Amino acid sequence: GAVVSQHPSRVICKSGTSVKIECRSLDFQATTMFWYRQFPKQSLMLMATSNEGSKATYEQGVEKDKFLINHASLTLSTLTVTSAHPEDSSFYICGTNGETSTDTQYFGPGTRLTVL
Amino acid sequence: GNSVTQMEGPVTLSEEAFLTINCTYTATGYPSLFWYVQYPGEGLQLLLKATKADDKGSNKGFEATYRKETTSFHLEKGSVQVSDSAVYFCALSDRGSQGNLIFGKGTKLSVKP
Repeated sequence: GAVVSQHPSRVICKSGTSVKIECRSLDFQATTMFWYRQFPKQSLMLMATSNEGSKATYEQGVEKDKFLINHASLTLSTLTVTSAHPEDSSFYICGTNGETSTDTQYFGPGTRLTVL
Repeated sequence: GNSVTQMEGPVTLSEEAFLTINCTYTATGYPSLFWYVQYPGEGLQLLLKATKADDKGSNKGFEATYRKETTSFHLEKGSVQVSDSAVYFCALSDRGSQGNLIFGKGTKLSVKP
């Protein structure tokens, strides 16, 4: 399977600051990456689909100006939570399809964001 | 729209007990079906998958069969271990959305020695 890394694994920040989360595909080129958010004891909810070289597609109810996504290369997508608030505290996970499969997703280990 | 319904947990079993976690889906077309597992503090790992009707996915002693007639993909294991304690997510691929996955709510499994 494909290997996906995320950094940082855990971040604590003050309200009003911005946080950048990186998602890297280590052994393949990822044209598309997905960003999910998981609240405690709940399922993963898709936030946006990140496409290399073009604008991300956001799901309904997700503020694109608050959750900035950049997919500048085939191995890196970043999610920036701008002006973070305590309600943004969550577990953020990126996923991507491997090169040999279009329907199996491989996930990064996730980033735990805590906004004080 | 497409959706996945999973049995609610938590599920608590003794070691070596038989496990079933029910999953049913609603979808147009013929989605691929998946089970993902999330161990405490970690991201999701693919456990098994099936891409068409009557396919059986299997891995680490877990099995699930794609049943089109009942729109189900129940997860089973004959003898669970303490190390199987995790949250299990059933998912389907929404092929109309670049391969996005739609997840069930997850079922937490705790296995006691």
